[in-house]
Amino acid sequence: ELVMTQSPATLSVSPGESATLSCRASQTVSSNLAWYQQKPGQAPRLLIYGTYTRATGIPARFSGSGSGTEFTLTISSLQSEDFAVYYCQQYNNWPPVTFGPGTKVEIK
Amino acid sequence: QITLNESGPTLVKPTQTLTLTCTFSGFSLSSNDVGVGWLRQPPGKAPEWLALIYWDDDTRYSPSLRSRLTINKDTSKNQVVLKMTNMDPVDTATYYCAHRGGTTWRYNWFDSWGQGILVTVSS
Repeated sequence: ELVMTQSPATLSVSPGESATLSCRASQTVSSNLAWYQQKPGQAPRLLIYGTYTRATGIPARFSGSGSGTEFTLTISSLQSEDFAVYYCQQYNNWPPVTFGPGTKVEIK
Repeated sequence: QITLNESGPTLVKPTQTLTLTCTFSGFSLSSNDVGVGWLRQPPGKAPEWLALIYWDDDTRYSPSLRSRLTINKDTSKNQVVLKMTNMDPVDTATYYCAHRGGTTWRYNWFDSWGQGILVTVSS
């Protein structure tokens, strides 16, 4: 099974600053990677798929990059509503599709 | 607008079979490339994918849980049903159904999720 890891586990950021979240795959997933945001008590929400493509309605301050085994989600100018847990998910080598353990972005 | 809603028991006993129903709107599971998946999320942990059913009745399962899972669809009712046998306390989680993204069967992310149902396994 392809294993996804994410770093850091927790990221403390002040509103208005940018945040950089990392996701690593145990083997190449090409560009077949998605990112999700989850707030307490809510379902995950798709942010990005295909490494770069923002889902419908996702603001431009969310951007994705990377390929192969190393990926990054960048959130520029963090808004109050962006403080949440973020998960990456690979869908290149499956079943199963697999998720990373998550990065919590908290207010500094 | 796509919506999905999970329903079923919120408490099951160990060894029982869990049956969950996903009722959806805003798309048809008889249209090409459409699929619905089930995922679960234990408290404080990451989501875990369980199963997926495509418009053509093709199904995929998590290898580690395959022997316990069955996914079916009723296109006329806009429903997808997941059965999981031999429930154990470690299966306690919020269970979600979700609409798959992707325009080919091979690529599966999840672009719309239900609100989830918390299932507790306890005697």
